[in-house]
Amino acid sequence: DIQMTQSPSSLSASVGDRVTITCRASQSINTYLNWYQQKQGKAPKLLIYAASTLQSGVPSRFSGGGSGTDFTLTISSLQPEDFAIYYCHQSYSTLMYTFGQGTKLEIK
Amino acid sequence: QVQLQESGPGLVKPSQTLSLTCSVSGASVSSGSHYWSWVRQPAGKGLEWIGRIYISGSTNYNPSLKSRVTISLDTSNNQFSLKMYSVTAADTAVYYCASNDYYAGWLDPWGQGTLVTVSS
Repeated sequence: DIQMTQSPSSLSASVGDRVTITCRASQSINTYLNWYQQKQGKAPKLLIYAASTLQSGVPSRFSGGGSGTDFTLTISSLQPEDFAIYYCHQSYSTLMYTFGQGTKLEIK
Repeated sequence: QVQLQESGPGLVKPSQTLSLTCSVSGASVSSGSHYWSWVRQPAGKGLEWIGRIYISGSTNYNPSLKSRVTISLDTSNNQFSLKMYSVTAADTAVYYCASNDYYAGWLDPWGQGTLVTVSS
């Protein structure tokens, strides 16, 4: 299986801050990397697919980058509605998708 | 727009079979541009992919669950289903269905999720 490791596991930040979450794959996954946001009691929502493509309707303050094994999700200026849990997901291995363990973004 | 909705019993007894259905609207499960996936999430924990199915009937399953899981399509009702056999308390989770891009695999959209509790 391809292991996905996110860092940090939790993060405290303030409204207006720029934050970056990192996701590392245990082997190269090209750009088959997706990011989701999950709020309490809700289903995950796709933010970014193929490492850097913003899903329709997602604010432009979200951006993604990377390829191979190292990827980032950046929020340029945190808004109150951005406090949530973020998951990366590799879809390179069609036999077995895997998710990162999640990064909880909390208000400082 | 595409919408998915899970349905099924919220309580299953240990050793019995968990059965869930995902109803799809705004898209056809016969579409060649999507797989259809199931994902679960135990309370307070992360996401675990269960498996997926394509219109051809081709399936892929999480190896850790493969021996206990079957995913099937019902094209006449535009639905797909999950059966998980011999469940235990460890299978208690919120179960989500999701549309799965055929080419690059992202999951979007997701159903709202349904909580299944395994308990006697």
